[in-house]
Amino acid sequence: GQSLEQPSEVTAVEGAIVQINCTYQTSGFYGLSWYQQHDGGAPTFLSYNALDGLEETGRFSSFLSRSDSYGYLLLQELQMKDSASYFCAVNDYKLSFGAGTTVTVRA
Amino acid sequence: DGGITQSPKYLFRKEGQNVTLSCEQNLNHDAMYWYRQDPGQGLRLIYYSQIVNDFQKGDIAEGYSVSREKKESFPLTVTSAQKNPTAFYLCASRGGTGSSDEQFFGPGTRLTVL
Repeated sequence: GQSLEQPSEVTAVEGAIVQINCTYQTSGFYGLSWYQQHDGGAPTFLSYNALDGLEETGRFSSFLSRSDSYGYLLLQELQMKDSASYFCAVNDYKLSFGAGTTVTVRA
Repeated sequence: DGGITQSPKYLFRKEGQNVTLSCEQNLNHDAMYWYRQDPGQGLRLIYYSQIVNDFQKGDIAEGYSVSREKKESFPLTVTSAQKNPTAFYLCASRGGTGSSDEQFFGPGTRLTVL
């Protein structure tokens, strides 16, 4: 089976940088995905890492180290609209999600 | 517009009744998935289907059933055997293997059993 660990909550001010770590244990692994979910809404895809290294998409970046079974999502230049839950998910032809990290951005 | 639709958005049922949640996609995706989300929790996989007429149990399949008779449709039935069915149910689909492996989610159905 799979297990994923990520912090439950993070609070930061507008303009700050937040890093959400994710460690995983899995029997199969194709890659690590990140999803954002606003309260009451559906998750939306942010990024995917199949190989070690950093993937950058605008203000968001994601990193993967397969040897360490570790990844992180970096949120830069935080905005109020970034207040949401963020989930890491292991991809082994189906997704297994972590419990999520609630990010609260304060003015 | 391509996407995934789920209906209804809110659903109320009496305890002991079966209920079927609809999920339709026009993205021409082969794989479809059903997840359950409880307050403050992550998503847990109920069932998934990688191709028409085939589906597999996920992590919490007990008390649920599915069918995949058409590529576009993957309905989920919550049976009376499901002990605690009140939850937010999300359907998702995914295209072929690719560099992103992105799953697209529908808007969800919030089921409340009274």
